[in-house]
Formats: sequence, C-alpha cells, structure tokens
Amino acid sequence: EPEVTQTPSHQVTQMGQEVILRCVPISNHLYFYWYRQILGQKVEFLVSFYNNEISEKSEIFDDQFSVERPDGSNFTLKIRSTKLEDSAMYFCASSLTGGSFYGYTFGSGTRLTVV
Amino acid sequence: GQQVMQIPQYQHVQEGEDFTTYCNSSTTLSNIQWYKQRPGGHPVFLIQLVKSGEVKKQKRLTFQFGEAKKNSSLHITATQTTDVGTYFCAGEKTSYDKVIFGPGTSLSVIP
Repeated sequence: EPEVTQTPSHQVTQMGQEVILRCVPISNHLYFYWYRQILGQKVEFLVSFYNNEISEKSEIFDDQFSVERPDGSNFTLKIRSTKLEDSAMYFCASSLTGGSFYGYTFGSGTRLTVV
Repeated sequence: GQQVMQIPQYQHVQEGEDFTTYCNSSTTLSNIQWYKQRPGGHPVFLIQLVKSGEVKKQKRLTFQFGEAKKNSSLHITATQTTDVGTYFCAGEKTSYDKVIFGPGTSLSVIP
C-alpha cells in the first residue's frame, strides 16, 4: 500500500526558530496538502498545492508559513519564526485528483513542540 | 465560511452496542468523506459519498448522505474494541475545493 512519508516524527524547537517539516507524497499523486491538529482538537486545513503553486490557503497560513516542492518528490512546510501556539501535529496529505475521489492519504504526521 | 459540525463529541458504548455519529454542513456539499483516526494515529480515509441520498456499506459500517447534501451519518452495528478512535466527516463545497474536517466524534468501546 503506497504511503505518504513524513519526517521528522517529532520536532522540538525554541520559540522564534525556523523549522522545516518534510513530506514525500505518493509518487503518482498530483495534489498536496498540509493540515494541522492541535492536541485533541479538529484537523485544520492549512494549504493546498497543485502544479507547483499554492491553490488555496487558510487564514492560519500567514506570512510565517511557506511551502515548496523543491525536487519533484519532497513537499515541505516551513515555519519561519515559530510561536508557542504553533505546537501541533502537522499532517501532510496527497490525493490523486483534486476531486479527492479516492480520498486523501495522510502521512503519520510530525509532532511539533515549540518551547 | 464553510463549517462542518458533528455530534456527539464523545460516545462511550458497551461492546456489541450500535453507534451513530451525525455530521452537518452549513453549506451544500459536493461530496462528503469519512475518516477514522486511531488514538495517536493519523486520519485514514474510509469512504466518499457523492450522490444525494446515497447509502454505502462497509461490513458493519453504514454511511449515508442526506437528500440536501448538507448532512451525513455513520452508523456502526455491534461495535468492537477495534472500532475505537475518532471519526471525522470532511466535506468539499466543490469538487476541486479543499476538504474541511468536522470536529470528530471520539468513540470508546467498553469490553
């Protein structure tokens, strides 16, 4: 079964530091997403990415966030200057089509802890 | 903006009892998806419903999409301990829109 791979599984960083969360989507998928989940809460949409550009972003995805697909396989989320409230589980997801007819495949997540 | 709501927030059932979670959207949806997240895990896609009034079954799970395409339900018959987890509905306003997750229903099954 193809998987979405995320690294690292856990990242601890000091407030104000930059972090890069990495994802390898399923190879033939075309649409990529980042979601986050604060502990015990709902899964929140951050950004969607298609054809090497952002297709949609939420109000959470402000100027401190950026995404990149630098080499055709990796999909990264960068948080420039982390805040305490950025502590959450960050999930990468990919789908074959934009209509998500086959659903989104989620990675196992990166738990980000900002101290 | 689009909101997706779910009730109940938590449900504790005795093993063998049935379980239902209900999902409501503030807007008409193009489709609705259901995901299961085990404790400490990630959301796993269960199913997608597209047509008005559609009913789909997966073994003991029955998924329904409302006639107005604004609500949905997931019913589990004779729960087992393996059913433990949080069940999220997630809706799309249009076919190529982002998926918005509901807050989830956390199911506990008492053996």
